[in-house]
Amino acid sequence: DSGVTQTPKHLITATGQRVTLRCSPRSGDLSVYWYQQSLDQGLQFLIQYYNGEERAKGNILERFSAQQFPDLHSELNLSSLELGDSALYFCASSPRDRRTNYGYTFGSGTRLTVV
Amino acid sequence: AQKITQTQPGMFVQEKEAVTLDCTYDTSDQSYGLFWYKQPSSGEMIFLIYQGSYDEQNATEGRYSLNFQKARKSANLVISASQLGDSAMYFCAMREVIQGGKLIFGQGTELSVKP
Repeated sequence: DSGVTQTPKHLITATGQRVTLRCSPRSGDLSVYWYQQSLDQGLQFLIQYYNGEERAKGNILERFSAQQFPDLHSELNLSSLELGDSALYFCASSPRDRRTNYGYTFGSGTRLTVV
Repeated sequence: AQKITQTQPGMFVQEKEAVTLDCTYDTSDQSYGLFWYKQPSSGEMIFLIYQGSYDEQNATEGRYSLNFQKARKSANLVISASQLGDSAMYFCAMREVIQGGKLIFGQGTELSVKP
C-alpha cells in the first residue's frame, strides 16, 4: 500500500455520462496531481492542487474538472464522457510542489472504460 | 519545452544479466529532477530512483543505478542482475522547479526478462 488511495479501482460507464474519481493523498502530503494514461497518449499531466488551491493545469479537457477539499482529498470529475476518455487515471501526492527531489507517491489508479 | 525521450519501445534481457534503458531529456531549466518508475502489468507506478540536476554522483538504489550525463542530457537506468520480476514498463520522468512540480514522462520502455 503506497498510502495514496484511489477509488473506485474500476469503472465502466456509458458515453455521455459523468463520473467522479476520488483520491486520498498520503498522510502529510499537500500536493495532489492527476494523470491520465492512455495507449495513444501515454502518461499525461492533467492538473495539480496544492493545499486546496489549483496550482498547475496540463492537458485537461474542459469537460473535466477537479477540486481538493479541506481534508486534502481530491476529486476528478469527468463529464459528457466519450469513448476516447477510456484510460487509467492516476492520482499522486507529494509533500511540496516545488522541491524537485520530492518524488511522487502514486495511487493504484482508476481504470475507466467508456462503452 | 521540456521533453523526455525513451527510444526503446521494447527490450529483452536474459535473467541475471544487466540491462540499460535509455532516457534523454530536454530542458532549459538549471534545476530539475529525474526519476525512473516501474509499472508492472498490475498497473501501479513504483518509484525506483531519483537524480537531481546538481548531484555530482550517480544515484544508486540496490540493483538500480542511474547513469547521469548532464552535458548529453541523458539519464539512463541500469538494472543489474535482472530478475523475472523486473519484467514491466519503465518510465523516465523529469520534474522542474519552475513548472510547479509536475512530472513529464517519456513514452516508456517495455522490458522482458527471459529465463
